[in-house]
Amino acid sequence: DTGVSQDPRHKITKRGQNVTFRCDPISEHNRLYWYRQTLGQGPEFLTYFQNEAQLEKSRLLSDRFSAERPKGSFSTLEIQRTEQGDSAMYLCASSPWGEHVLTFGAGSRLTVL
Amino acid sequence: QQQVKQSPQSLIVQKGGISIINCAYENTAFDYFPWYQQFPGKGPALLIAIRPDVSEKKEGRFTISFNKSAKQFSLHIMDSQPGDSATYFCAASNNYGQNFVFGPGTRLSVLP
Repeated sequence: DTGVSQDPRHKITKRGQNVTFRCDPISEHNRLYWYRQTLGQGPEFLTYFQNEAQLEKSRLLSDRFSAERPKGSFSTLEIQRTEQGDSAMYLCASSPWGEHVLTFGAGSRLTVL
Repeated sequence: QQQVKQSPQSLIVQKGGISIINCAYENTAFDYFPWYQQFPGKGPALLIAIRPDVSEKKEGRFTISFNKSAKQFSLHIMDSQPGDSATYFCAASNNYGQNFVFGPGTRLSVLP
């Protein structure tokens, strides 16, 4: 297992376009998290899945954001009608049930022009 | 109440010196306090963590000190090395890790 994988690593898009990020967690981890990190700040919680169920969503996650984890394995985060304020690093992390340890991926950096 | 405060924002230490980063929290429901290390272009990686039933935890050159009554905890890096130069984040979680709250980070530079 190579850890948490995220794709793409970098995405440049124009304002108003839709973007989708993919996260492949560590295979035996049933918890999956999405965080957003802007320059000089700590990761901010966006949403959390346990298996395929989305159990918690932050108020940061506006209607333009949607996340799925259809089979309890990989997850996608889609941002519709991107805005310049969406420019950030989007981090995915996973953890096993009952453990607090988060293993992060390298992130997907979004730049909205 | 969900915030974790962290200081200093940046820290410069000579090689061999001690680096100290402080964090404070408000939510008494937090029951797990990890520190993460992040290098440029990488995701954060767990460094060391502590639960509130102990006041100190040491792993190699890294030590967490925890003061439950003051709701504060700190990271001490002994014999700091240039390879320790990174951004450090404290964090807190509860409910068996359903939600982690991160501090704003401390950028550490260790001079050779």
